[in-house]
Amino acid sequence: GAVVSQHPSWVICKSGTSVKIECRSLDFQATTMFWYRQFPKQSLMLMATSNEGSKATYEQGVEKDKFLINHASLTLSTLTVTSAHPEDSSFYICSARDHHSLKNTEAFFGQGTRLTVV
Amino acid sequence: AQSVTQLDSQVPVFEEAPVELRCNYSSSVSVYLFWYVQYPNQGLQLLLKYLSGSTLVKGINGFEAEFNKSQTSFHLRKPSVHISDTAEYFCAVRLNMFSGGYNKLIFGAGTRLAVHP
Repeated sequence: GAVVSQHPSWVICKSGTSVKIECRSLDFQATTMFWYRQFPKQSLMLMATSNEGSKATYEQGVEKDKFLINHASLTLSTLTVTSAHPEDSSFYICSARDHHSLKNTEAFFGQGTRLTVV
Repeated sequence: AQSVTQLDSQVPVFEEAPVELRCNYSSSVSVYLFWYVQYPNQGLQLLLKYLSGSTLVKGINGFEAEFNKSQTSFHLRKPSVHISDTAEYFCAVRLNMFSGGYNKLIFGAGTRLAVHP
């Protein structure tokens, strides 16, 4: 199946700093990528949909100035957590759909990034 | 709007026993249905999906699920579980290509499957 790579797998940062998380589709082109946040023992909460070459679409209640999303190419989307605080600590997961494949119904997930803000 | 309900937050089971993880959905239009598995500190892996056609869907690792339109259910089953099946399982729905609208996945709350020796 298609591979989505997320980097880094885990990161620890100081409060007030910014952190960038990358999501790459390795063997396919993804017009659309999705960013999720997952709290311990909870489900995935969609934060935003990242569209290549245009502005991301944020879900209600998600601060777009806090969580900056850039989708500059068909294989890369980035999520930047700006001025991170301890409450931003969470597991962040991206997913992508193959733009060209007939299997467009399926979303492929990255391995996730564990962010800890101290 | 669509929603997904996973009726059991935790399911303990002994090794080699059968298991069923329940999923019900709500939607006024046709949807695609998915089951994903998540191991600790990892992303999600697709187990199986229902798009159309046969209501019994077979997936990886010996799992299968049955789509029941009248009961709006998509329960996941495995006849004999292994210790390695211990993980979090998520049911999800998405509008199908003929329903139009936004194409995001909507997840259930998840079911923790704990397989004991």
